[in-house]
Amino acid sequence: GAVVSQHPSRVICKSGTSVKIECRSLDFQATTMFWYRQFPKQSLMLMATSNEGSKATYEQGVEKDKFLINHASLTLSTLTVTSAHPEDSSFYICSARDQAGYGYTFGSGTRLTVV
Amino acid sequence: DQQVKQNSPSLSVQEGRISILNCDYTNSMFDYFLWYKKYPAEGPTFLISISSIKDKNEDGRFTVFLNKSAKHLSLHIVPSQPGDSAVYFCAASRYTGGGNKLTFGTGTQLKVEL
Repeated sequence: GAVVSQHPSRVICKSGTSVKIECRSLDFQATTMFWYRQFPKQSLMLMATSNEGSKATYEQGVEKDKFLINHASLTLSTLTVTSAHPEDSSFYICSARDQAGYGYTFGSGTRLTVV
Repeated sequence: DQQVKQNSPSLSVQEGRISILNCDYTNSMFDYFLWYKKYPAEGPTFLISISSIKDKNEDGRFTVFLNKSAKHLSLHIVPSQPGDSAVYFCAASRYTGGGNKLTFGTGTQLKVEL
């Protein structure tokens, strides 16, 4: 079945630095990838929709200059958290929609801790 | 504005019994619904889905029921097993005009006890 690989699984960074999270579709091409954020005991909140070769579409309230998304190829999307602050600490998850139908495959998530 | 709601944050069921997880939505434009299972610090795993043209879909121990008039769907797991213990999220999308985005519910923590 479809596999989405997300790295790193866990990262700790200092306040003010930037962190890049990668999301790769391993055995299928994903023209669209999605980035979510989950706070403890809460739902997955969509941050942005990433389309290959074009600018990402951000959800209301998500700062596009802080959360940079690049979808340079059909198998790779990256999320860069710029100038990270402790309030950015969260669980970030990507997903990719396979081209065959309605399937959405999720990555394993990245636990970001900003200290 | 929470368009997809799971009003029960937790559910405890005995092994072998039926687990019923409920989900309500407010946006009548949603036409595709999915259930995911999630463990802590992991991504969601797809379980089962249903299109709005159906009212039931079954896959092994999992059955999803959709009541469009009530804007309600439910996931039945029977028989429940200890390995089913996890957080279950329902999700909804608009295939047409919705950008295929998934809107998730708030999740229900299922605990299957021996």
